[in-house]
Amino acid sequence: GQQVMQIPQYQHVQEGEDFTTYCNSSTTLSNIQWYKQRPGGHPVFLIQLVKSGEVKKQKRLTFQFGEAKKNSSLHITATQTTDVGTYFCAGPWGYQKVTFGIGTKLQVIP
Amino acid sequence: ETGVTQSPTHLIKTRGQQVTLRCSSQSGHNTVSWYQQALGQGPQFIFQYYREEENGRGNFPPRFSGLQFPNYSSELNVNALELDDSALYLCASSLNPGLGPSPLHFGNGTRLTVT
Repeated sequence: GQQVMQIPQYQHVQEGEDFTTYCNSSTTLSNIQWYKQRPGGHPVFLIQLVKSGEVKKQKRLTFQFGEAKKNSSLHITATQTTDVGTYFCAGPWGYQKVTFGIGTKLQVIP
Repeated sequence: ETGVTQSPTHLIKTRGQQVTLRCSSQSGHNTVSWYQQALGQGPQFIFQYYREEENGRGNFPPRFSGLQFPNYSSELNVNALELDDSALYLCASSLNPGLGPSPLHFGNGTRLTVT
């Protein structure tokens, strides 16, 4: 069965609004990574979370790793058109190496 | 510091043919992973190479095979191409997997179309 769920799959926001995407795992993770893929581009590494309850910030982006290390979130404050793209969580699910979620596609309406 | 480079950028093949995709890893990285990304989907892990050996494989059939060379560059070979193999193939390099989780640095990918 599916080991990771990422929600929502699509999100349209007005420029200036906040945005959050969630990643939920059926198993405990040793770490989780987040990537951004612009339309027509390749995934670009954003952040890695390792510790339970960890919170990291990058300018308007806030990343959180759940206390049980089974879920994570990415929150963007005051979205800009440059935030457009698909955001993926990725982790070591099962015996595979870095495995990606289905992604959340963000559209920002100017 | 040179990034990950992939060639070719685009490729059109016929069903049943074979294809070889190439990847040069980022300098200082000794691990290469290959991913298949269908339109609108997340990247799907194919396999990883470390020290010229396969170091993990996803749910792909044996007709997907790979190589890693002493300079850490890598090839992905796909035999007996099927229509469903049409996708963006991404190569990602990273540091020694034994050192713990390491960010993946992706190339621009090869867009393969099978007709």
